[in-house]
Parts: sequence; C-alpha cells; structure tokens
Amino acid sequence: KNEVEQSPQNLTAQEGEFITINCSYSVGISALHWLQQHPGGGIVSLFMLSSGKKKHGRLIATINIQEKHSSLHITASHPRDSAVYICAVDPYGGSQGNLIFGKGTKLSVKP
Amino acid sequence: NAGVMQNPRHLVRRRGQEARLRCSPMKGHSHVYWYRQLPEEGLKFMVYLQKENIIDESGMPKERFSAEFPKEGPSILRIQQVVRGDSAAYFCASSPPGISNYGYTFGSGTRLTVV
Repeated sequence: KNEVEQSPQNLTAQEGEFITINCSYSVGISALHWLQQHPGGGIVSLFMLSSGKKKHGRLIATINIQEKHSSLHITASHPRDSAVYICAVDPYGGSQGNLIFGKGTKLSVKP
Repeated sequence: NAGVMQNPRHLVRRRGQEARLRCSPMKGHSHVYWYRQLPEEGLKFMVYLQKENIIDESGMPKERFSAEFPKEGPSILRIQQVVRGDSAAYFCASSPPGISNYGYTFGSGTRLTVV
C-alpha cells in the first residue's frame, strides 16, 4: 500500500462544476503539498498546509491531521484547470524536500 | 524574478553516454532538491543539496548517479553510462533556508530519453 493515496485517479468534469480531489496518507507529517502539472510541463506548487484550510482564487485546500486526509477543491472549474494534481507530504522527522508523492489525479474539464 | 531554471528541457543520449542536467535555483534560494518521474509512475525524491554540501542522498541510485551544487553556478545532476531505464523527467526544486508558506518552487524539468 502506498503511503500517499489519491482519489480519484482520473476525473472528467464539465466546465463550471465543483471538483474535489482527495488525498490520504499513512505517515506522520510536518506539511502536505498540492502540486499541479500540465502535460509536458513543469510543476507548480499550489498549497503547503500543516493545518486547517487555505484558499487561493478558485482553489481551496483543507487538511484534517487527525484523520490523515486532505482535499483540494476547485470551484467553477474551467478547461484551463485540466492538469494532473499531485499530493505530496513532508514526513515528520525526514529531511527537507524528501517528499513522498501520490500518483496524481488527472483532471479533464470539458467546455 | 526568474523562477527555477532547468536546462536542457529535452536531452537525448545514446546508451553508455553521460547526461548532465542543470538547475539554477530561484534567486535567494540556497537549497536544491532533485526528483525523478519515471513514465507512468509518480515522482520520487533523489537528493537534497545546499551550496557545496550533500544533505540527503537517500533517493539516489547507488551507481552512476551523482549530484553537486558548487559555490558558484548551477546544481548539476550527472548520470554516467546511461541506460534505457534512466529515461524519465527530472525535476529540480529550490527553497530558501526556511520553507516559505508556499513550500518548494519547481522547475520545468528535463526530459531525458536514452536511445
């Protein structure tokens, strides 16, 4: 079993829909990251969370440390949101940058 | 204010050749990290470097791979005698000494193809 599990693996939505991507992890962490990767492109860091909730534009990330679970929400989705969304954790006690990554959720938003 | 710069974007090497991947961290960042993304697999940590120091190389393959971050110039990930299994996307990230609220800044990656 992977230490970081994401669901769903693939997600297709219509433009304007509310989207939720889930991430569960099995290790103690000091922080959790949500990343975005466009096809053939680089990686963009969206959020770093250690508790609670963060919002940036149409993106909202939440984390429940007790349940070892985080969600990434996209409101009013748009075709330009189509990308792979990756959850990654900084394991507690690990060295900086030694992240454990989920396999990613491939999101496709249709116009 | 340029972000993390990686070059080349694409690199083709024949089996047995050497591959050199470069990463210039974001201005003000002194910590560099390398990650590998194999086809159809997730990202994996390789190495964490500060200027002239390797801090954590627990993710580096034991042979043929090395990394450096000299006092001057970019960080280099070097793969000697490449094999087909080295074909992957290699990403570099950087951070300041204390992780900012936004964590790590990633580059656009180098796509290595071994033929």
